[in-house]
Amino acid sequence: GAGVSQSPRYKVTKRGQDVALRCDPISGHVSLYWYRQALGQGPEFLTYFNYEAQQDKSGLPNDRFSAERPEGSISTLTIQRTEQRDSAMYRCASSLLYESPGSGANVLTFGAGSRLTVL
Amino acid sequence: RKEVEQDPGPFNVPEGATVAFNCTYSNSASQSFFWYRQDCRKEPKLLMSVYSSGNEDGRFTAQLNRASQYISLLIRDSKLSDSATYLCVVNAASKIIFGSGTRLSIRP
Repeated sequence: GAGVSQSPRYKVTKRGQDVALRCDPISGHVSLYWYRQALGQGPEFLTYFNYEAQQDKSGLPNDRFSAERPEGSISTLTIQRTEQRDSAMYRCASSLLYESPGSGANVLTFGAGSRLTVL
Repeated sequence: RKEVEQDPGPFNVPEGATVAFNCTYSNSASQSFFWYRQDCRKEPKLLMSVYSSGNEDGRFTAQLNRASQYISLLIRDSKLSDSATYLCVVNAASKIIFGSGTRLSIRP
């Protein structure tokens, strides 16, 4: 597609429920990143993929969080047994694969985000 | 220590003023650097990349000091439309890390 698409835009769930957030990156973009952003803070790194391979998941807060990108395109971030502290904006971004500094290949384009509220 | 640190501000300056932000990063192996801009309730968008020799894009100038591990952004002749949060971004081995952002408010 023309841009990065995230769904749902808004999700309200009850504590203890599982949620799945979807990201459809720009066509041809190899790298896909997930971030979490609290109000007044910068995006906090969660994980990223090159193609279908998860390269780094060091930012995932705990084992209730997982992400996949099985065909190297659409990605899903899943949060199991949600807690109130999981409430935040979840942002996805994609980029061309890193090539060299200045090439612009690792510039991120963000989607509009998925706002999660856990009651 | 945070991987990327910025002064959160807010910076409140009059229109036409020059304002500068700094950012420090902890990973000396970091390879590429950026400034992003984020408007209220919107997603971050690339403002400019930061090159080792320094670079300029209109009223915006970015500098990188690898020895001291800091990055700066200078905005000249500020406009009301420059009001936003400015995010310092560092790429270390393809892990792209954002600072917490510096809020800028330009007053008429």
